[in-house]
Amino acid sequence: RKEVEQDPGPFNVPEGATVAFNCTYSNSASQSFFWYRQDCRKEPKLLMSVYSSGNEDGRFTAQLNRASQYISLLIRDSKLSDSATYLCVVNTQAGTALIFGKGTTLSVSS
Amino acid sequence: GAGVSQSPSNKVTEKGKDVELRCDPISGHTALYWYRQSLGQGLEFLIYFQGNSAPDKSGLPSDRFSAERTGGSVSTLTIQRTQQEDSAVYLCASSLYTSGDRANYGYTFGSGTRLTVV
Repeated sequence: RKEVEQDPGPFNVPEGATVAFNCTYSNSASQSFFWYRQDCRKEPKLLMSVYSSGNEDGRFTAQLNRASQYISLLIRDSKLSDSATYLCVVNTQAGTALIFGKGTTLSVSS
Repeated sequence: GAGVSQSPSNKVTEKGKDVELRCDPISGHTALYWYRQSLGQGLEFLIYFQGNSAPDKSGLPSDRFSAERTGGSVSTLTIQRTQQEDSAVYLCASSLYTSGDRANYGYTFGSGTRLTVV
């Protein structure tokens, strides 16, 4: 089983739509969780951390379910500029490197 | 510098040649990471340096790969006797890692070195 699994998509949505991405992780000892965004042929950039109580940053909401080992990202009112690949990222243990999922591709059209 | 700097941005090399990729992290960042990303694939962890500790080399795919970090700053990733399967984008990242401080845990990536082995 892969350490971090995501639906690769692509998710094709119209502007203004709400879209949700899911991610599962295999190691129950994982401690830290993030969503990164990667534009085509660019480097990944941190979008937001994911906290146990859930957290929101503008149109973006992240949720963590430790019991199910499941992370989600909700994007409301999608913009054309949201088109990118969204990477689910997990850290198993403090002092070790982050583990990246393969990403979910989002395409927002007008 | 303001960001993570990697050089060269592109490298085409012949199979069997050695290559060196350079990463200059953000000043003051104690942690430095190397990943690679093949076309259409996720990021594959290679090696991690944290301060003066021994590096975590667990992701290096073969003994042809090695990396060093001099003076706690600049890092060089060396690939010996390159093979076509080494073709990928090699990404370096740094972070200001403080144990227990998750706010500073996010990585800043460089723009990568696109390596093509022909």
